[in-house]
Amino acid sequence: GAVVSQHPSWVICKSGTSVKIECRSLDFQATTMFWYRQFPKQSLMLMATSNEGSKATYEQGVEKDKFLINHASLTLSTLTVTSAHPEDSSFYICSSETQYFGPGTRLLVL
Amino acid sequence: DAKTTQPPSMDCAEGRAANLPCNHSTISGNEYVYWYRQIHSQGPQYIIHGLKNNETNEMASLIITEDRKSSTLILPHATLRDTAVYYCIVRVRGDYGQNFVFGPGTRLSVLP
Repeated sequence: GAVVSQHPSWVICKSGTSVKIECRSLDFQATTMFWYRQFPKQSLMLMATSNEGSKATYEQGVEKDKFLINHASLTLSTLTVTSAHPEDSSFYICSSETQYFGPGTRLLVL
Repeated sequence: DAKTTQPPSMDCAEGRAANLPCNHSTISGNEYVYWYRQIHSQGPQYIIHGLKNNETNEMASLIITEDRKSSTLILPHATLRDTAVYYCIVRVRGDYGQNFVFGPGTRLSVLP
C-alpha cells in the first residue's frame, strides 16, 4: 500500500532555533497532505493542510508565521518550526490525502 | 469536533476477541467508518473501513449496524502487540480535501 515517511524521527534543539520536518509520499503523488500535532496523552489535532503549488491553510490558533509549510512537489511537504520554544515540544505527524499516516517526528525543544 | 464516541478504555485477555464499540449517530449517507490504531510513539496505523456492509481483512473485522449509527471493530485473537489506542473516524471517502478528525479513542490493554 501507499507509504508516507517522515524525517527526522526525532529531534532535540535549543530554544530559538528552527527545525524542519519532511514528509514524503513514497509511491504516489499527494496533492494534499495534512499536518497534525499530538501532545502527551492527547489525541491528534490538525494544524494545517498543505496543498501542492499553493499556500497552506491553517487551523484556528495555529500561527502560520511560526509553522511554515512548503509543498513544492507532489511527493514532499515540509513543516518548519521557526524560533522553537519548549511549548512547541510535541509529536508531529503528517498524512497523505488518502488514508496513510507518517510515523511521526518527536520534537523536544530545550 | 469528532463525530464519534468511544469508551475511553477497555481490557482484553490475550487470545480472546477484542470488541471495540463506536457510536456515530449523526453519520451521513456518504460517510465511511474508518478505524485506526496508534501504538505508543508511532503514527496512526490504518486498520479497516466500511460503508454499510460488514468488512473483514487480515487484521480485523468491522461490523456496522443496519442503521449505521454504530459499529464494532473486532480483533479476533488479541495479542499483547494489539495494545494501543484505537480511533473510530467517519469521513467521506474520496474527499481528498478533508482531513481526519480524531477523538480521544479507546485505549485497549491486552492482558497476559
